[in-house]
Amino acid sequence: AQKITQTQPGMFVQEKEAVTLDCTYDTSDPSYGLFWYKQPSSGEMIFLIYQGSYDQQNATEGRYSLNFQKARKSANLVISASQLGDSAMYFCAMREGPGTYKYIFGTGTRLKVLA
Amino acid sequence: DSGVTQTPKHLITATGQRVTLRCSPRSGDLSVYWYQQSLDQGLQFLIQYYNGEERAKGNILERFSAQQFPDLHSELNLSSLELGDSALYFCASSVQGAQGGYTFGSGTRLTVV
Repeated sequence: AQKITQTQPGMFVQEKEAVTLDCTYDTSDPSYGLFWYKQPSSGEMIFLIYQGSYDQQNATEGRYSLNFQKARKSANLVISASQLGDSAMYFCAMREGPGTYKYIFGTGTRLKVLA
Repeated sequence: DSGVTQTPKHLITATGQRVTLRCSPRSGDLSVYWYQQSLDQGLQFLIQYYNGEERAKGNILERFSAQQFPDLHSELNLSSLELGDSALYFCASSVQGAQGGYTFGSGTRLTVV
């Protein structure tokens, strides 16, 4: 069965430091996509970064990078130079196969950036 | 503003009632997805529509139904509401393929009392 696991319910990081949020996944499908979303306290879901299963390089988007280790089935989000505005819930999600566009979400990690 | 519009933002209703949540996708997006976010179940996929047709179904209760209209807006109908239906309901949209991820609306927070 397809599954996304986020083992860190909560994390703290000092402002301006880097932080890694863990995500592991399980699927038997060779074609899949991995996503990270940010949910601030206001509730909206903000797309951060995408990694396809066939992508050779790790995805990067500004201060966000995805550490994709296919053999280990992990897709960790790295946030560099943390800012107070990064305090939020972070969700890892997986889309399976080319023909389906439903996502499976992890349980999320609540990140608190300290001044 | 993500471009995906959900109304209403908040809804409080009594058990046994029926409500309709509305979603207007981002301009040009043909696919609409509905998700439910609750404290105990997390984010759960409910249903997907593409250009008016149902494409995929997830953990959607029989008391719930959805449709996508010719102008591409979608409605999620929740009936015989129970306390456990209280949740944040998200709509998202994408172009076909959705390689780069969905765009989510801001959600409708439903409280059943």
